[in-house]
Amino acid sequence: DIQMTQSPSSLSASVGDRVTITCQASQDISDYLNWYQQKPGKAPKLLIYDASNLETGVPSRFSGSRSGTDFTFTISSLQPEDLATYYCQHYDNLPQLAFGGGTKVDIK
Amino acid sequence: QLQLQESGPGLVKPSETLSLTCTVSGGSISSSYYWGWIRQPPGKGLEWIGSMYYSGTTNYNPSLKSRVTISVDTSKTRFSLQLSSVTAADTAVYYCATPRTWGQGTLVSVSS
Repeated sequence: DIQMTQSPSSLSASVGDRVTITCQASQDISDYLNWYQQKPGKAPKLLIYDASNLETGVPSRFSGSRSGTDFTFTISSLQPEDLATYYCQHYDNLPQLAFGGGTKVDIK
Repeated sequence: QLQLQESGPGLVKPSETLSLTCTVSGGSISSSYYWGWIRQPPGKGLEWIGSMYYSGTTNYNPSLKSRVTISVDTSKTRFSLQLSSVTAADTAVYYCATPRTWGQGTLVSVSS
């Protein structure tokens, strides 16, 4: 089974800061990786699909990239409304899903 | 726009079977790469339970496989989750989801 290792588990940053979250796959998963945002008490929302594609309607300050089995999610300029927990998610055609452990983003 | 809504009992007794239904509206899950169930224990992260692929293939989390069944009705307007022999560790918010669309989630508590 594929394991997704996400880091850090939490971070605190100021408004306007650049925030980076990483997710490492235990084996090659190509670009089959999504990033979700979950605000308190709400269902997760898709932000980035297939590693680097911005979902329709999602602000351009969110981005994703891939280097081998390492995936990076970036918020270029943190906004107050970005307070949330972010998850990476691998999917394949079995279909099998695997989530990272999540990163809780707090605003200083 | 596709919408999903979970329904089912909010309280299940230990050793019994948890049964939830996801009602699909505003579109078809057939256009999605997969659809399935994900849960989130209170204060914890997301855990995949199982999914159906658009071709009809079904797959389950190995840690839950012996207790889980996911099915879909022929019209694909509803799909269901059954989780047998539940314990307190199965207490969680249960979501039905496609890659782009999630239900609001339903809290299921396991307690006598």
